[in-house]
Amino acid sequence: GENVEQHPSTLSVQEGDSAVIKCTYSDSASNYFPWYKQELGKGPQLIIDIRSNVGEKKDQRIAVTLNKTAKHFSLHITETQPEDSAVYFCAASMDSGGGADGLTFGKGTHLIIQP
Amino acid sequence: DVKVTQSSRYLVKRTGEKVFLECVQDMDHENMFWYRQDPGLGLRLIYFSYDVKMKEKGDIPEGYSVSREKKERFSLILESASTNQTSMYLCASTKLGGRDFGDGTRLSIL
Repeated sequence: GENVEQHPSTLSVQEGDSAVIKCTYSDSASNYFPWYKQELGKGPQLIIDIRSNVGEKKDQRIAVTLNKTAKHFSLHITETQPEDSAVYFCAASMDSGGGADGLTFGKGTHLIIQP
Repeated sequence: DVKVTQSSRYLVKRTGEKVFLECVQDMDHENMFWYRQDPGLGLRLIYFSYDVKMKEKGDIPEGYSVSREKKERFSLILESASTNQTSMYLCASTKLGGRDFGDGTRLSIL
């Protein structure tokens, strides 16, 4: 089955700096890669996703890049703010987000924004 | 917006009890999921359902069962609770794309 590795487990950055979280996946058939943000006491929320026919996607301060050859994808957050502090999860799926198939998650990155 | 509601935020039960965790979604999603979340282990899939009365095992189904009698409701059942089932339980639903999660039930088994 699919295996998703996520690094680092904890990331501390100064407010205003950029943060990068990296994930690798094992199954070349995976074609859908969402990222989730989980704030304290809440469930994970989808913040951005990318499908394998696209190399990069941006949404304001957040971007995701995908390298299918190397089987890795990354989350980039620019101009970090205190409200970006949370746990972030990457995930991979073989069903292009169709829903019924299992989504394999990374173990999470605790992002800390230092004032 | 999709709303996935889990009936309890916190629950304390004793070993050997039968425990029910309830989840309701209000957007007519076909697919519903139960995950457990443990520190350092991320989210692990317990069971999922793609239709009423249908269920599929996930990665860690042992000790659990599920029920989907209505499209909007997906229940997780711990047949005989054990201390190693102390965890955060997350329900999710989806039609297409990524999962919409509830806020979780923190379950403690004493």
